[in-house]
Amino acid sequence: AQSVTQLGSHVSVSEGALVLLRCNYSSSVPPYLFWYVQYPNQGLQLLLKYTSAATLVKGINGFEAEFKKSETSFHLTKPSAHMSDAAEYFCAVSQFGNEKLTFGTGTRLTIIP
Amino acid sequence: NAGVTQTPKFQVLKTGQSMTLQCAQDMNHEYMSWYRQDPGMGLRLIHYSVGAGITDQGEVPNGYNVSRSTTEDFPLRLLSAAPSQTSVYFCAAHGGSSYNEQFFGPGTRLTVL
Repeated sequence: AQSVTQLGSHVSVSEGALVLLRCNYSSSVPPYLFWYVQYPNQGLQLLLKYTSAATLVKGINGFEAEFKKSETSFHLTKPSAHMSDAAEYFCAVSQFGNEKLTFGTGTRLTIIP
Repeated sequence: NAGVTQTPKFQVLKTGQSMTLQCAQDMNHEYMSWYRQDPGMGLRLIHYSVGAGITDQGEVPNGYNVSRSTTEDFPLRLLSAAPSQTSVYFCAAHGGSSYNEQFFGPGTRLTVL
């Protein structure tokens, strides 16, 4: 079985501050891990993915995530928040490559001017 | 290149009515999926397809039917709508060189009264 836990349904950070969105996973086999972003009234867009290559993954818009097997974590970070980063972020896991994704419940990121 | 398109964008049904949510993709991807998004629950997989003529159930398949007669189209059918099916529905496609990224449509917001 696989599952994802996203700590914090709402996160607020000041513009220019560090963004840290937490994701912990459970998987019985080496997982594939993904972060997706959803802007208001839109579908989801892939930010980055971990597919058993480098443990530090860089994505679009300055985001990155580090796969830590010992902590079963895949936290998303960005050094300096921008107003355009305000959105909902979803972590997802799969044991089957990109098949049968299991999503977390999402974290809504608010940027304070 | 439109990517993944969904129709309609909004729909209101009465309990017991039937309808079909349309999904089409022009990327020639072999894999397609249907998800529902509910507040506080993230996205949950309803049904998916690994190619024309092949479909399988996801996490929450009850009350929904799918078929895949062509690579391009993957309609989702509600045979007898229930208020519990009020949700936002997303279709996604992936495959080929884009195997590790699911491309999402803009969604259909369905309300069942």
